[in-house]
Amino acid sequence: SQQGEEDPQALSIQEGENATMNCSYKTSINNLQWYRQNSGRGLVHLILIRSNEREKHSGRLRVTLDTSKKSSSLLITASRAADTASYFCATESGGTSYGKLTFGQGTILTVHP
Amino acid sequence: GAGVSQSPRYKVAKRGQDVALRCDPISGHVSLFWYQQALGQGPEFLTYFQNEAQLDKSGLPSDRFFAERPEGSVSTLKIQRTQQEDSAVYLCASSRDSRQAGELFFGEGSRLTVL
Repeated sequence: SQQGEEDPQALSIQEGENATMNCSYKTSINNLQWYRQNSGRGLVHLILIRSNEREKHSGRLRVTLDTSKKSSSLLITASRAADTASYFCATESGGTSYGKLTFGQGTILTVHP
Repeated sequence: GAGVSQSPRYKVAKRGQDVALRCDPISGHVSLFWYQQALGQGPEFLTYFQNEAQLDKSGLPSDRFFAERPEGSVSTLKIQRTQQEDSAVYLCASSRDSRQAGELFFGEGSRLTVL
């Protein structure tokens, strides 16, 4: 079963615009991670935010975490055509001790040149 | 190798056939995960190994699914008597150690189509 729900399911923007994707989850977590998947490829890790953190930045990526609302958002600034991919949030729940991740359904991002 | 390697990349099987999917994790990575990804969905956990020990197989959908990692490196996911609902991409991932808060390194996946 999938822990996270992401919205929107699909997002279409122009190059240069910002893209925001949201993720909600159900149980307590140790950390939340975001992954990107290009069509037909494996997943690539983007960023990890721990349960005691509220915001994290990595290059053009900004992730926020609100544990009281059990939600996270991923912001990609100044998007590029190469950012076109599916984006997944994944949670490591508080009940596991070995890094098992539960993934959401994903958001399909299309960036038009 | 530099990354997680999976083979075959594509497998077509007739219903009822057995298949074996191989995963070669990053050298030295202790943890190894198998995930199943249906079309248009996120990956779903199948099983977890810490070195050669299979510590969690709670996600395996039926007893037709079997995974092993006998020497703590290469892993094989075997599906017996394949069914159409087994059609999916099977992703392998590894991480450096078994502690929390580690990123997973994924392979490209093995796409299984059962006719």
